[in-house]
Amino acid sequence: DGGITQSPKYLFRKEGQNVTLSCEQNLNHDAMYWYRQDPGQGLRLIYYSQIVNDFQKGDIAEGYSVSREKKESFPLTVTSAQKNPTAFYLCASSRGQGVHGYTFGSGTRLTVV
Amino acid sequence: QQQVKQSPQSLIVQKGGISIINCAYENTAFDYFPWYQQFPGKGPALLIAIRPDVSEKKEGRFTISFNKSAKQFSLHIMDSQPGDSATYFCAADTTSGTYKYIFGTGTRLKVLA
Repeated sequence: DGGITQSPKYLFRKEGQNVTLSCEQNLNHDAMYWYRQDPGQGLRLIYYSQIVNDFQKGDIAEGYSVSREKKESFPLTVTSAQKNPTAFYLCASSRGQGVHGYTFGSGTRLTVV
Repeated sequence: QQQVKQSPQSLIVQKGGISIINCAYENTAFDYFPWYQQFPGKGPALLIAIRPDVSEKKEGRFTISFNKSAKQFSLHIMDSQPGDSATYFCAADTTSGTYKYIFGTGTRLKVLA
């Protein structure tokens, strides 16, 4: 079955450490996205990529970095520069090119300890 | 102009009642309006979507009403059930855009048994 796999489901990080969240899709989608979700604040876009080897900053990119070396993969690194990284992180993908429809992964809950 | 305003922030409905969630937008270039349903600890899943060439779309107990002149759309859940308790997000997109949705801030629905 096609879908998006995010791993791990839960992640604990010590302050000052970088951590990378994995997102893999087998839907052959061109576009991929990372969102952050905090209680009461909805979904905020961190980064998105429309094609391989290209990505753009979203609304809250500071303290985060991404790469898109393969169509299937869009890992997100939460750096030590991110002041408040504890959140629920969601990866999504879409066919792009004017075709609507996001598919979301099941999320990674990151906790800074 | 890029915002989608969603209300209410939270909603409590008795079993069998009608749940109504509203969204408003400003950008007339939006041409696709999906609703997503998210259960705790899970990623959002597409529930129903509408394009501005129709005023209403119904799928089972879920109906989207769309008012193009008022730039508003709403989700109606008929015969609400406890299993409908979730967070609902509206969104807007444009075919000619950068394939990234503008999400509302979400509505937490609780249906009492």
